[in-house]
Amino acid sequence: GAGVSQSPRYKVAKRGQDVALRCDPISGHVSLFWYQQALGQGPEFLTYFQNEAQLDKSGLPSDRFFAERPEGSVSTLKIQRTQQEDSAVYLCASSLVGQGTNGYTFGSGTRLTVV
Amino acid sequence: KNEVEQSPQNLTAQEGEFITINCSYSVGISALHWLQQHPGGGIVSLFMLSSGKKKHGRLIATINIQEKHSSLHITASHPRDSAVYICAVSYELVFGKGTKLTVNP
Repeated sequence: GAGVSQSPRYKVAKRGQDVALRCDPISGHVSLFWYQQALGQGPEFLTYFQNEAQLDKSGLPSDRFFAERPEGSVSTLKIQRTQQEDSAVYLCASSLVGQGTNGYTFGSGTRLTVV
Repeated sequence: KNEVEQSPQNLTAQEGEFITINCSYSVGISALHWLQQHPGGGIVSLFMLSSGKKKHGRLIATINIQEKHSSLHITASHPRDSAVYICAVSYELVFGKGTKLTVNP
């Protein structure tokens, strides 16, 4: 596609519910990044994929967070047993080459609200 | 982990004014990014630079690698420039907290 597509755009989850957030990067983009942005804050890095390999997951806040990109294109960020502190906008970005060395394209984000 | 500081946190300007937003970081980098975020979450990449200066329209970005400092300038500011401007470094993007710019007509 022409841009990075994220779905759903908005998600309301009850505390304890599992959620899955989808990112569809630009076709052919090697690198894919997930970020968490709390209200009024800058985005915080969660995890990075190069093709299907998850090369860095140091930003995932707990073992309730899991990301995958099994075929090196679409990625899913899964949050198990959601907590209120998980409420944030989850942003995905992709880049043509490894480690984003030629710039990034961002999706519009998924706003997750845990009630 | 690189620490990224931006200033000012908030900036209000009148249309036509020259705007400067500053960014400093703690650890040497290969590239620095300036990004623009509009209400609703969409982030647009403005510049990626590793040395010197880049210009795109009314936007100018400069970086001083030795001083670990970058600036984003907006000439002849316009209300449509109102947004949050974020500086980020490192491959995984360590973000500053952003500068909220409001340009009044």
